[in-house]
Amino acid sequence: DTEVTQTPKHLVMGMTNKKSLKCEQHMGHRAMYWYKQKAKKPPELMFVYSYEKLSINESVPSRFSPECPNSSLLNLHLHALQPEDSALYLCAISAGPDAGELFFGEGSRLTVL
Amino acid sequence: GENVEQHPSTLSVQEGDSAVIKCTYSDSASNYFPWYKQELGKRPQLIIDIRSNVGEKKDQRIAVTLNKTAKHFSLHITETQPEDSAVYFCAALRVGGNEKLTFGTGTRLTIIP
Repeated sequence: DTEVTQTPKHLVMGMTNKKSLKCEQHMGHRAMYWYKQKAKKPPELMFVYSYEKLSINESVPSRFSPECPNSSLLNLHLHALQPEDSALYLCAISAGPDAGELFFGEGSRLTVL
Repeated sequence: GENVEQHPSTLSVQEGDSAVIKCTYSDSASNYFPWYKQELGKRPQLIIDIRSNVGEKKDQRIAVTLNKTAKHFSLHITETQPEDSAVYFCAALRVGGNEKLTFGTGTRLTIIP
């Protein structure tokens, strides 16, 4: 199975909290993605990192802050979120930024109170 | 940008019968078409994909067909089983075009035992 590991699996936070989502991959793929998925909707792209550099930001509010410390790790820092930000946050990887074949992690289910 | 339409939004099929899900895309330059299966509470998983240089691809009980002229592609599942129950997303991408994968809106497939 594809090794894309996301932590935590579940997160509940208040609107004033600061938290982080983490993603780790062991495939050696050079493109890493953050997606947001609401119930009954397709995944919605947030950010793309290519070779550890941010290449796409889909006009995401600044309360979401991505970070790619190295080729295996991807973080999403969360601050001052709103209840409407509650969703499943999916990390994905691919061989390249537009290689097509995306492999998703299990996701972090976020609830903002 | 690319726009992908997917039909039907829900589909119920008797176990053992076939299921067909259809997608249309708008950008004639798109050349990669994956299908993702997402079981309840799980991550999207790539189940089959097709590139524009072929018209059909099969993998056991699933197949995908592509009509480039009409700009539509379809997922066919034969001899359906209860474990086929899930949400299926089609997607389209122009590989090498520095663009994002565009998802369809999803089809909830229910297999009736």
